[in-house]
Amino acid sequence: IAGITQAPTSQILAAGRRMTLRCTQDMRHNAMYWYRQDLGLGLRLIHYSNTAGTTGKGEVPDGYSVSRANTDDFPLTLASAVPSQTSVYFCASSDSVVGDVDTQYFGPGTRLTVL
Amino acid sequence: GQNIDQPTEMTATEGAIVQINCTYQTSGFNGLFWYQQHAGEAPTFLSYNVLDGLEEKGRFSSFLSRSKGYSYLLLKELQMKDSASYLCAVKDSNYQLIWGAGTKLIIKP
Repeated sequence: IAGITQAPTSQILAAGRRMTLRCTQDMRHNAMYWYRQDLGLGLRLIHYSNTAGTTGKGEVPDGYSVSRANTDDFPLTLASAVPSQTSVYFCASSDSVVGDVDTQYFGPGTRLTVL
Repeated sequence: GQNIDQPTEMTATEGAIVQINCTYQTSGFNGLFWYQQHAGEAPTFLSYNVLDGLEEKGRFSSFLSRSKGYSYLLLKELQMKDSASYLCAVKDSNYQLIWGAGTKLIIKP
């Protein structure tokens, strides 16, 4: 069982280019999340999906889009990358959103540099 | 606004005990999480508190006081492998996690 996988591991991207970060989970979790992590700041939620077919905006959604066509996959797209999107991106999943303990499990991350 | 405060960095000695504090101001409260993150790796779940009091799990314990908006993570019998960042996160009224910036713990022999 792999848990959550992300691809690519790292990427250097020219500003203005389009980029899709991939995330796949095999735990059949209902909820999935995309975060970015920047030095000195906490994890910030970009977009989330409580269940397949639905998505929502997090704290920092501008410049990013997501889709949730099925339970397993939750790709994040940067339509036209800018240098401020240089960050480490983590995908996470949880069995539910509301619950006694709905622990989020994280993928290994994608390190993105936009030049 | 919503805010989670933790010390930026702490240093402790191998074999000792360390307490990492977290204070929070959020719109609603639906639980507090502690995660561990080694450099260059993903965060991994350590503990969860939703009621006041102490939750113990091996060498790690986590305490919560909802009235004070305060939690701490206690690490006993420190080992070199405990060198990592420790992230405090609160689930708000919208069931979204609000994250602190993390506390980098340095363990010295």
